[in-house]
Amino acid sequence: YELTQPPSVSVSPGQAASITCSGDKLGEEYVYWYQQKPGQSPVLVIYQDDKRPSGIPDRFSGSTSGNTATLTISGTQTMDEADYFCQTWDTSTHVFGPGTKVTVL
Amino acid sequence: QVQLQESGPGLVNPSQTLSLTCTVSGGSITSGDNYWSWIRQHRGKGLEWIGYIFHSGSTYYNPSLKSRVTMSVDTSKNQFSLTLRSVTAADTAVYYCARDPISKVRGVIISGGLDVWGQGTTVTVSS
Repeated sequence: YELTQPPSVSVSPGQAASITCSGDKLGEEYVYWYQQKPGQSPVLVIYQDDKRPSGIPDRFSGSTSGNTATLTISGTQTMDEADYFCQTWDTSTHVFGPGTKVTVL
Repeated sequence: QVQLQESGPGLVNPSQTLSLTCTVSGGSITSGDNYWSWIRQHRGKGLEWIGYIFHSGSTYYNPSLKSRVTMSVDTSKNQFSLTLRSVTAADTAVYYCARDPISKVRGVIISGGLDVWGQGTTVTVSS
């Protein structure tokens, strides 16, 4: 089972960035999103499609429609430049997307 | 708050066994309903989930690695461990441990996401 993400997304500071994640079964299972900065461990930014963990800024939001999930960063800041991975479940197995590099310029 | 720390050899010979331990601090490995996962990341690549263990010892492994993986838990030490047998250069990666809080809704297990991660440990397979 595979998830598909765009390799890269560029966004200007203050603008919104949208990262998509597509997969045949995404409409059946929850989607999770992780942010990973260079040399650091991943950080959970969205769980169960659209919930934000404590401490995650409200400019991060998640949504799903059919077989596509979207992570939106509103009012993107330079500190949001990172790799973003989507993740879901497939028969009790965690499956990760290939990641999207978000560049803020 | 809960913190995780991976430990183990940074260099393993090809065909040998990779063994890593994750120590949980700031909370008990048996408190709450959590799966404890191992994930790896090849250099410059994406994340690959290896498997998880519950504090009772029940496990679930990635089918692609299942034949070579064993996980165990030591509740007295608040640790869980990963063993990967017959390693090759393709197993060279950063290995992370992570907490996965779970809940049951109408009998279905729901993940809360991998919400706490260790800092990761680099393992190189080379002679």
